Amino acid sequence: QSALTQPASVSGSPGQSITISCTGTSSDVGGYNYVSWYQQHPGKAPKLMIYDVSKRPSGVSNRFSGSKSGNTASLTISGLQAEDEADYYCCSYAGSSTRVFGGGTKLTVL
Amino acid sequence: EVQLVESGGGLVQPGGSLRLSCAASGFTFSSYWMTWVRQAPGKGLEWVANIKQDGSEKYYVDSVKGRFTISRDNAKNSLYLQMNSLRAEDTAVYYCAREDDMKYWGQGTLVTVSS
Repeated sequence: QSALTQPASVSGSPGQSITISCTGTSSDVGGYNYVSWYQQHPGKAPKLMIYDVSKRPSGVSNRFSGSKSGNTASLTISGLQAEDEADYYCCSYAGSSTRVFGGGTKLTVL
Repeated sequence: EVQLVESGGGLVQPGGSLRLSCAASGFTFSSYWMTWVRQAPGKGLEWVANIKQDGSEKYYVDSVKGRFTISRDNAKNSLYLQMNSLRAEDTAVYYCAREDDMKYWGQGTLVTVSS
């Protein structure tokens, strides 16, 4: 039940694209196609942005996309906007009905 | 509209107990796994526990096994987290979430363990 590894911070300018990585093991990220991503603004509850590696819930902008290769999942945000500035967390199914989160990444829009 | 409302947080001394509740509405509560997630001040999210629709299966993160108990009352559309032997490191905002990819979250309730 070790936390997934995310970069502590990433930054980008408005209009640019950024990618946040989430590295786990074959027991979590690499073993299942059940990776989700959450956006959290200060003082707010997390918001689901991506589920099942690459699916977007209704209402989430198509500027957000997800992918996975081996033990690493990625969240890409294209056309960065000021309101995208937030903390982002990945989460993976880890077997036996358990889940594990990443440590979180702070996105700064310059 | 799906709503999840946590309650029961507060200040408790180390070694003490607290019971959190999560009132659900806007969906068929008995049809979904439910989850507790916590977030220590200034820290990341941590999955804590989950429970099957009928309560027959429960799973916990290692750090709370033997101290926390998740339960539910489908007749009352409510989820619970009984927390015993609390430690300073259990200080966090506790969120309940519907487990279908955790699309729906409550607003959280703050638990502070301190003397």
